[in-house]
Amino acid sequence: NAGVMQNPRHLVRRRGQEARLRCSPMKGHSHVYWYRQLPEEGLKFMVYLQKENIIDESGMPKERFSAEFPKEGPSILRIQQVVRGDSAAYFCASSPQAGRETQYFGPGTRLLVL
Amino acid sequence: QQPVQSPQAVILREGEDAVINCSSSKALYSVHWYRQKHGEAPVFLMILLKGGEQKGHEKISASFNEKKQQSSLYLTASQLSYSGTYFCGTYQTGANNLFFGTGTRLTVIP
Repeated sequence: NAGVMQNPRHLVRRRGQEARLRCSPMKGHSHVYWYRQLPEEGLKFMVYLQKENIIDESGMPKERFSAEFPKEGPSILRIQQVVRGDSAAYFCASSPQAGRETQYFGPGTRLLVL
Repeated sequence: QQPVQSPQAVILREGEDAVINCSSSKALYSVHWYRQKHGEAPVFLMILLKGGEQKGHEKISASFNEKKQQSSLYLTASQLSYSGTYFCGTYQTGANNLFFGTGTRLTVIP
């Protein structure tokens, strides 16, 4: 049973470019969460999605960041016009049911903005 | 809303015990414990639901006192493989997402 998949594992972008991070949840999981982790810091919640719905985006920056989880395909976290401060590890987690279930994490995408 | 963990860091010799604490200022529905090794994803350890549970997982166990909004993770007879950063994640009553603590870096030395 494959775990949570994320790609790419490492992504390098220049300032002003766009970054697209993908997450495929575990089989049977329909709830996806995105977190950002800065070096030597904890995990900061960004957004919680179900298929075709954003449930909670209270942790998302108001500008440049967006997320989707289409009916078919992976969840995508999109960062437009990246800046150096966006450099971080972005983790995706999934759970089988709503809200308060155990979340299983993917390996993360390390984004470096030059 | 972010839970507070203590201590921030601890160094143990193999075989020694450690306790990591997690406290919240908000009413909690559940507490989740994870371990993360450097450069890797957080790995789920255990979940504790309100009701004053205590759970065990080999030599790692945890308790949850919902009245005090606190949880503690107990590591006994530590092994080198226990090294990593331990995070507690809390589901607050009425919230949809986990709030993670700042982490406790545990280093086990021979």
